[in-house]
Amino acid sequence: QVQLQESGPGLVKPSQTLSLTCTVSGVSISGTNYYWNWIRQHPGKGLEWIGYIYYSGNTYYNASLKSRVTISLDTSKNQFSLQLSSVTAADTAVYYCARSRITLSRVLDYWGQGTLVTVSS
Amino acid sequence: EIVLTQSPGTLSLSPGERATLSCRASQSVSSSYLTWYQQKPGQAPRLLIYGASSRATGIPDRFGGSGSGTDFTLTISRLEPEDFAVYYCQQFGSSRYTFGQGTKLEIK
Repeated sequence: QVQLQESGPGLVKPSQTLSLTCTVSGVSISGTNYYWNWIRQHPGKGLEWIGYIYYSGNTYYNASLKSRVTISLDTSKNQFSLQLSSVTAADTAVYYCARSRITLSRVLDYWGQGTLVTVSS
Repeated sequence: EIVLTQSPGTLSLSPGERATLSCRASQSVSSSYLTWYQQKPGQAPRLLIYGASSRATGIPDRFGGSGSGTDFTLTISRLEPEDFAVYYCQQFGSSRYTFGQGTKLEIK
């Protein structure tokens, strides 16, 4: 059974770097059939795609966040991570990790439960 | 970047009624990469429809998707109490994802 679980600090100070990890079980992140995504949702708002990484290490980011985002893989731990630099209160959101299934219309078929990150001093 | 605009923002209906949700793209979208999700409060989104019209595993047949080009529709034929939620369309293009802003389906 595929499961994704986000982890990381729930509180980050302004100007610092937000760092989250997604631990994946039930499937290898080294597989060729998937992208590994980060998506966020501001309180009471819609979904915003942040970016994804492929097993090869290739990354694709939302243009509006590209200058501040890094997504990386740790295949030894079956994890992938998000770093978002120079955060402000506008980065307060629930952050989800999710899997894209390349062979099924690139759908986001498995999601973590989400983790709330608050940016505040 | 392709912008997806969903309408209406909020739809108030009663159980048993038919719901029609719209997703309009700022430019043509491949139907293969048009997806619908359902999100309930405090939960992650759930995959409903992919390829514009194919139901995901376990999704009841009262959910249907249609459309092509720039206009797509999610239809729920007979609303059940558990269907009241927020619905998002999403597209994949140029190696990137975009979401619509969502339609809230609420009980009238």
